[in-house]
Amino acid sequence: GAVVSQHPSRVICKSGTSVKIECRSLDFQATTMFWYRQFPKQSLMLMATSNEGSKATYEQGVEKDKFLINHASLTLSTLTVTSAHPEDSSFYICSARAPGQGNPYEQYFGPGTRLTVT
Amino acid sequence: GENVEQHPSTLSVQEGDSAVIKCTYSDSASNYFPWYKQELGKRPQLIIDIRSNVGEKKDQRIAVTLNKTAKHFSLHITETQPEDSAVYFCAASSMDSNYQLIWGAGTKLIIKP
Repeated sequence: GAVVSQHPSRVICKSGTSVKIECRSLDFQATTMFWYRQFPKQSLMLMATSNEGSKATYEQGVEKDKFLINHASLTLSTLTVTSAHPEDSSFYICSARAPGQGNPYEQYFGPGTRLTVT
Repeated sequence: GENVEQHPSTLSVQEGDSAVIKCTYSDSASNYFPWYKQELGKRPQLIIDIRSNVGEKKDQRIAVTLNKTAKHFSLHITETQPEDSAVYFCAASSMDSNYQLIWGAGTKLIIKP
């Protein structure tokens, strides 16, 4: 149980276009989802925390107008990178909390999305 | 806010030897400490975790120790195998911070055959 999927796994887009990444909890209801970005040879950097039905909370330095997060249901959160530029190229990973699974602290991670902006 | 420091950044050990990775944290409110293994291009994989009411936890070749007073915790891998080669991350979390994970910088573990 506690499976999180992410789509697409890889995407290449042109500079100036927008890209949407979906994160789904397949077999549980995720009250909280997290979005991370990871650059090569670096740690995961938390971008934002989203709770179902409410606005996402963005970390300092993350532009909320550029990285649009929607958590419209208990099983789906989306991250839209608007007007993407080459410096947005990164590995984007989502995770979800599933308090009903037993450990309220544990996060279940999606497989990640490799975004390349040309 | 919480800050997690992780050392060393790279660790090379002979196959069969033990590996130890150490982390320190700053926020005494943190009470959950997971360790993740990440292979290149893959998601982080939880390998072991510990809550603040426990000092040590073991799962086969992997163990984690926690010293709340000193605010540090360590990952111990015994009898290392080539498949243990990966990047390992420690993290800290608390209910007060909405269960956000604060990550260490990572340790690249290399197992030499």
